[in-house]
Amino acid sequence: NAGVTQTPKFRVLKTGQSMTLLCAQDMNHEYMYWYRQDPGMGLRLIHYSVGEGTTAKGEVPDGYNVSRLKKQNFLLGLESAAPSQTSVYFCASSYFLKKVGEQFFGPGTRLTVL
Amino acid sequence: AQSVTQLDSQVPVFEEAPVELRCNYSSSVSVYLFWYVQYPNQGLQLLLKYLSGSTLVKGINGFEAEFNKSQTSFHLRKPSVHISDTAEYFCAVSDKGGSEKLVFGKGTKLTVNP
Repeated sequence: NAGVTQTPKFRVLKTGQSMTLLCAQDMNHEYMYWYRQDPGMGLRLIHYSVGEGTTAKGEVPDGYNVSRLKKQNFLLGLESAAPSQTSVYFCASSYFLKKVGEQFFGPGTRLTVL
Repeated sequence: AQSVTQLDSQVPVFEEAPVELRCNYSSSVSVYLFWYVQYPNQGLQLLLKYLSGSTLVKGINGFEAEFNKSQTSFHLRKPSVHISDTAEYFCAVSDKGGSEKLVFGKGTKLTVNP
């Protein structure tokens, strides 16, 4: 099993450009999450999904949109990138109540917005 | 709502010395507690978790943590560290209501020196 994979690994954008980050998991997990990690800030939840076709806002959702059209994929979109969105983005997934709280993380995407 | 405070942002130690990374949490409901480790340029992986039962929890790589409800703490310890333990460590909390959302602390960077 590949676990949780993220595409791309690195990306540089100019202010105002758009992009989509792809997260895929092959563990048949119900829950999926998008976090951003900034120095000294820990991980902050952007959006999450409790199942196919559902999404919900996390702690820092502004400027991001998400979609979960297939159970195994969770997409994070930036419609108009800003320098404040320069960060490392992590996707994670977990079982539905089976292994409480244990989230499995992808390797991250490092995004720079100029 | 829950919150997590990791009291030390950086902890330098010498190889084979003991280490304690401190974590305090705040919550109005019962919680599950976790420690995750992030090695350089990687995603997070679960080190150990407390769900219920014995307050002393053992994890991977010789780490253990003790849940103290009265002090709302969940400190991580290792009796003898190795160079390979150099990483960032995150404490996290989740409420027992089953939302499966994690709230992370800001992290403690452990550096093990020879």
